[in-house]
Amino acid sequence: EVHLLESGGDLVQPGGSLRLSCAASGFSFSDFAMSWVRQAPGKGLEWVSTVSGSGGGTYYAASVQGRFTISRLNSQNTVYVQMSSLTVEDTAVYYCAQGGYCDFWTGYCRFDFWGPGTLVTVSS
Amino acid sequence: HSALTQPASVSGSPGQSITISCTGGVNDVAGYTYVSWYQQHSGNAPKLIIFDVTKRPAGVSDRFSGSKSDNTASLTISGLQPEDEADYHCASYSLMNTWVFGGGTRVTVL
Repeated sequence: EVHLLESGGDLVQPGGSLRLSCAASGFSFSDFAMSWVRQAPGKGLEWVSTVSGSGGGTYYAASVQGRFTISRLNSQNTVYVQMSSLTVEDTAVYYCAQGGYCDFWTGYCRFDFWGPGTLVTVSS
Repeated sequence: HSALTQPASVSGSPGQSITISCTGGVNDVAGYTYVSWYQQHSGNAPKLIIFDVTKRPAGVSDRFSGSKSDNTASLTISGLQPEDEADYHCASYSLMNTWVFGGGTRVTVL
């Protein structure tokens, strides 16, 4: 059974930094891309970033490009997102999700499983 | 990339069928067959219920079905049940390995 668990959410001041972690289990971690998707209070989902299975490919939404860095440690089955220059608009529940990298050869292109999320609040 | 457009809310009585639309553009919904739908009960994480426009993951009820025409994808829930009351989000692959989501649709079972 796939299990994803995020951690690291906190209250942070505008301009601050935070690192979120997502521990994965129940599947061959390095075989899958991993993504971060966020949801602001009362709003819809917003894709944030994706890292390929090897970690060699990283992709970002325009809203976080240059401020967020996604990475993974396959030996620890963990994916991270380092967030800096945070603004109030970054306040959201951040979900870790399996997938998000479209492999046009195999046709795999979706977010299969999601963690319960971790809350990031940016406020002074 | 602009968010996909979904109705804010849809409602129906038990046993009825409802359809949720998801409208995008040439760089997402119209350009690819990689539209997926996610069900989110209040306070819970999203759950994949439709992928590749029409496919259902194992264990998802066949009361859920998906389709697409040009720049609009649709999710139909047949035989509406109380447990279907939730938020539904569409998503589409877009350019250069980016994704765009809809604003979400609240489904109410009357």
